[in-house]
Amino acid sequence: GENVEQHPSTLSVQEGDSAVIKCTYSDSASNYFPWYKQELGKRPQLIIDIRSNVGEKKDQRIAVTLNKTAKHFSLHITETQPEDSAVYFCAGTGNYKLTFGKGTLLTVNP
Amino acid sequence: DAMVIQNPRYQVTQFGKPVTLSCSQTLNHNVMYWYQQKSSQAPKLLFHYYDKDFNNEADTPDNFQSRRPNTSFCFLDIRSPGLGDAAMYLCATGTGEREQYFGPGTRLTVT
Repeated sequence: GENVEQHPSTLSVQEGDSAVIKCTYSDSASNYFPWYKQELGKRPQLIIDIRSNVGEKKDQRIAVTLNKTAKHFSLHITETQPEDSAVYFCAGTGNYKLTFGKGTLLTVNP
Repeated sequence: DAMVIQNPRYQVTQFGKPVTLSCSQTLNHNVMYWYQQKSSQAPKLLFHYYDKDFNNEADTPDNFQSRRPNTSFCFLDIRSPGLGDAAMYLCATGTGEREQYFGPGTRLTVT
């Protein structure tokens, strides 16, 4: 089955700086890679996703890049704000299922 | 925003006392998922239904069962809850091809 590794497990940045979270996956058949943001006590919410036929996707301050050859994808958040503080999960997909990375706790310090 | 609804939001049960959590959706998605999420961990898939086809994860304990009587509803039954089953239980729906939509979760406490 799919195996997704996520790094770092914690990330602390100053407000206005950029944050980068990286994931690798094992199943070359995975073709859809979502990123979820989860605030404390709340549900995971999709913030951006990318399909395997696209190398990069951007939505305002958030971007995701995908390298299929190397089997890794990354989340980039620019101009971070305190409300970006949360746990971020990457995921790979296969057989209608999501396999989550272990999560990254992002703290944005004012 | 109430596209995936979970009831109750908080459930307290006693050790060994069966409990049922419910999930309903208004999205008409054919796939419904149940996840268990413990503190500081990623959601862990327990099982999913593709239409009426039930798919159990290999490491899901037999203590956990599920029912999907129709497209809109799915239930999670915990036959004999142990202290280790205290967690947030998340229901999600999807088409199987793209994103999953998560419900707000049920926080289960076992006393």
